[in-house]
Amino acid sequence: EPEVTQTPSHQVTQMGQEVILRCVPISNHLYFYWYRQILGQKVEFLVSFYNNEISEKSEIFDDQFSVERPDGSNFTLKIRSTKLEDSAMYFCASSIQGSTDTQYFGPGTRLTVL
Amino acid sequence: KQEVTQIPAALSVPEGENLVLNCSFTDSAIYNLQWFRQDPGKGLTSLLLIQSSQREQTSGRLNASLDKSSGRSTLYIAASQPGDSATYLCALVGYALNFGKGTSLLVTP
Repeated sequence: EPEVTQTPSHQVTQMGQEVILRCVPISNHLYFYWYRQILGQKVEFLVSFYNNEISEKSEIFDDQFSVERPDGSNFTLKIRSTKLEDSAMYFCASSIQGSTDTQYFGPGTRLTVL
Repeated sequence: KQEVTQIPAALSVPEGENLVLNCSFTDSAIYNLQWFRQDPGKGLTSLLLIQSSQREQTSGRLNASLDKSSGRSTLYIAASQPGDSATYLCALVGYALNFGKGTSLLVTP
């Protein structure tokens, strides 16, 4: 069964460094999302992406964040200058149709900012 | 903004019991509602998606109901097994998923 994949599974970085989290959505899906979950808290929406542009973003998704679909398969989340509070599990998801369709999640990347 | 609440936060039951997990929300003007399972340190597995026009959905031992007028959804798990131990999340579906904090379920042998 097709699934969303994410790399790396765990990333450790120093505060102020740039990180890129990578995702390969399910191949026939058109809508892509990033969510994050700080330890012990709710899963929170960051951004949705369709047709090579951002559809929606939350207030968390400030100028430090950016997303890109650099080729036909990858979907990336970049954090330009990481802060301690960016430490979280980051999940990528995809869906065939829009956000009201079933979203399928990847296993997550655990980001630790020191 | 919609608030999504899941009670209880944690639940422990012996194997074989039927159980109900609760999800409540503040605004009845929702699109759909999705239930997920999350295993420790892992991603989210979609269990059921209930369209706003539906009242319930079933998959195997799982049955999810939706009552928009009362702002509630329930996930019923029949004949629970130790492998059902996980955190169960409900999420309102709008332009994005709006999650509750989850119910941590432990099924003991």
